[in-house]
Amino acid sequence: GDSVTQKQGQVTLSEDDFLFINCTYSTTTYPTLLWYVQYPGQGPQLLLKVTTANNKGISRGFEATYDKGTTSFHLQKASVQESDSAVYFCALVEDSNYQLIWGSGTKLIIKP
Amino acid sequence: NSKVIQTPRYLVKGQGQKAKMRCIPEKGHPVVFWYQQNKNNEFKFLINFQNQEVLQQIDMTEKRFSAECPSNSPCSLEIQSSEAGDSALYLCASSLSGAGNTLYFGEGSRLIVV
Repeated sequence: GDSVTQKQGQVTLSEDDFLFINCTYSTTTYPTLLWYVQYPGQGPQLLLKVTTANNKGISRGFEATYDKGTTSFHLQKASVQESDSAVYFCALVEDSNYQLIWGSGTKLIIKP
Repeated sequence: NSKVIQTPRYLVKGQGQKAKMRCIPEKGHPVVFWYQQNKNNEFKFLINFQNQEVLQQIDMTEKRFSAECPSNSPCSLEIQSSEAGDSALYLCASSLSGAGNTLYFGEGSRLIVV
């Protein structure tokens, strides 16, 4: 079945550091891949969406590129700020379109 | 600010008690999801609706959990007999047409079962 893997449970950075969060997926269909961000005390909100049609998503300084060869969908940001402290989830839309396969989340901590 | 409204934000129940949470989806969104998010941030899908009809639900939902999305009323999720393992954040999300479209989440209802 479809699956998503996020191996980094937590990433700790300083302001202006480069962010890279690893996400790999497995599916037999053409994937729609998503990054959601959950700030403390809030529900998740969509950060990026990428399909095979556009291959790359950019939003609020974050970027994710879909790589079919490595089945990866990593999230990057050139320079993180304290306000980026949150939990980041990658997700795969299941073929039925009515389910998301969620990664386990990566908590981003920005050191003051 | 979230356009999906969940109430209450917090509820504390004893084991065996009923726990009921409500959700007002974003206006015009026919698809509603309920998720359980545990302390490790893991999501567990519970049930989803399109308009008032159940699309999918997991076995757990069929036994102790009940949910509905009546017309012109808030959606609700109720746990008939709370267990310690039910302690979690319950998230409601709505969408125009399934998970391929953006899911708009509420802030959640945090259930603590003592």
